[in-house]
Amino acid sequence: EAGVAQSPRYKIIEKRQSVAFWCNPISGHATLYWYQQILGQGPKLLIQFQNNGVVDDSQLPKDRFSAERLKGVDSTLKIQPAKLEDSAVYLCASSFVGVTYEQYFGPGTRLTVT
Amino acid sequence: GDSVTQMEGPVTLSEEAFLTINCTYTATGYPSLFWYVQYPGEGLQLLLKATKADDKGSNKGFEATYRKETTSFHLEKGSVQVSDSAVYFCALIWAAGNKLTFGGGTRVLVKP
Repeated sequence: EAGVAQSPRYKIIEKRQSVAFWCNPISGHATLYWYQQILGQGPKLLIQFQNNGVVDDSQLPKDRFSAERLKGVDSTLKIQPAKLEDSAVYLCASSFVGVTYEQYFGPGTRLTVT
Repeated sequence: GDSVTQMEGPVTLSEEAFLTINCTYTATGYPSLFWYVQYPGEGLQLLLKATKADDKGSNKGFEATYRKETTSFHLEKGSVQVSDSAVYFCALIWAAGNKLTFGGGTRVLVKP
C-alpha cells in the first residue's frame, strides 16, 4: 500500500517569497491534515479536511497561509509571504473518516526561510 | 486547553538497556492516549494506544499504561535495540474535539 506522498522534501526561500507544498494521501482516506512541526516541538495541526471541505482551520494563520483540496484527494498548502518564523517541517497526514487517532504521516517538507 | 508534556531528550542508551519515556497530560475528561514514533527519514507512525483508564497498549515490545490517577502514559521497553533509535511522541485525543494534541517529542539514541 502506498503511503502519504509529499513534495518537495526540502525548500529554501527568502522571507517575503511564496512557497507551496503538495500532498497525496493514502487512497481511500477521506480525511487529510496539515501540520507544522517547529524544531524541538510536536506537530501542530494547521488545517483538517474531510473530502474537500474544511473541518478545522482554527490554527491556520489565514493572513499568509492557505490550503485547498479541490477534488477531495490531493492537497496544497501555500505560504505567501513567508516569514522567518515559518521555518519548520510541514507534515501531511491522512486517515479514514472517524479514525482520527490513526493518522498516516508523510515524510514532510522541511522549509527554511532566510 | 489540552496539553501533553514529555521528558526532554535526547535519551542515550546502550543496547539491551531498559527504556522509560515519561508522559503526562492535562485534559478535560478522559481522552484517548497514544504514542507515535518517527524513525530517521520517515513519517510519524502510530506505535500504540489506550482508550480508557488502566488500559495497556503494547506493540513491538513497547508498553504504556493509561494511569488516570496520575494523568500519565509512560512508555517502556525492557530491552532496546539500535533500531529503536527514533523520536517518540506522546499524544492525546479528546473525542469531542477530535484533534490530536502532541507532546514535544523525545529523541532516543541506542548505541551498540
